[in-house]
Amino acid sequence: AQSVTQLGSHVSVSEGALVLLRCNYSSSVPPYLFWYVQYPNQGLQLLLKYTSAATLVKGINGFEAEFKKSETSFHLTKPSAHMSDAAEYFCAVSLSGGSYIPTFGRGTSLIVHP
Amino acid sequence: DARVTQTPRHKVTEMGQEVTMRCQPILGHNTVFWYRQTMMQGLELLAYFRNRAPLDDSGMPKDRFSAEMPDATLATLKIQPSEPRDSAVYFCASGLNGGHEKLFFGSGTQLSVL
Repeated sequence: AQSVTQLGSHVSVSEGALVLLRCNYSSSVPPYLFWYVQYPNQGLQLLLKYTSAATLVKGINGFEAEFKKSETSFHLTKPSAHMSDAAEYFCAVSLSGGSYIPTFGRGTSLIVHP
Repeated sequence: DARVTQTPRHKVTEMGQEVTMRCQPILGHNTVFWYRQTMMQGLELLAYFRNRAPLDDSGMPKDRFSAEMPDATLATLKIQPSEPRDSAVYFCASGLNGGHEKLFFGSGTQLSVL
C-alpha cells in the first residue's frame, strides 16, 4: 500500500524567508513522487515530479524537492518566499503496485507574511 | 493553453435530487481521474478511467454514485440521490498514460446539498 504524510497542516513564513514543506511516503517499490499547488478556487497544478532520474528535482516558481530514500522523504523547499506563494501544497505518490493511481497527502497551507 | 473543463462550477441542490457533473479532458489524454475534496478527508479518489474503461472505482459509494465516459471527450459523475454529506468540491483530472505522469486538473465543481 502507498501513503503520504505531510507534516504540518499550516506553515507560516515571512516574505523572503526559506520555505520548507515536509512530505514522507511509504512504499515498497520505487515511487513516483509529485508536488502540486492549489490556489484558492482553482484545481491543482503540478510543481514538480520525481522519476528517479535525479534526486534533486527543480520545479516551477523556484521550488525544488529532494528525494531521500533512506528517510523516505520528499521535502519541498524554496530559498525565498513570495507573497504569491501563499497556497495549499499537496504531496502525492504513485506506484506500479497501486496501478499508478496517485495518492495525495492532506495538504499544507503556506501562509506568507509581509 | 489546453485545459480540463468542468461544468458546472457551482451546484446547489436539495437532498434527494440527481446531480450530474461533467468533465472535458484535454484532447489526446487517455487517463481520467475523479477526486473529491473535503476539509475532513482531503483528496479522495472516486474513479479512474484509462482509454475510457473504468479501472478503479473502489472509492465511490456504488449505491448512489456512478461514473462513465460515453466518449473520449466527456466524463460524467452522477449522484442519485444526493445527500448533504456529498457536499464537497469534485475535481476531474486528465493525463497521458496513467497516474505516474503529470495530471491536469479542472477547476472543480463545488457541490452543496441542502
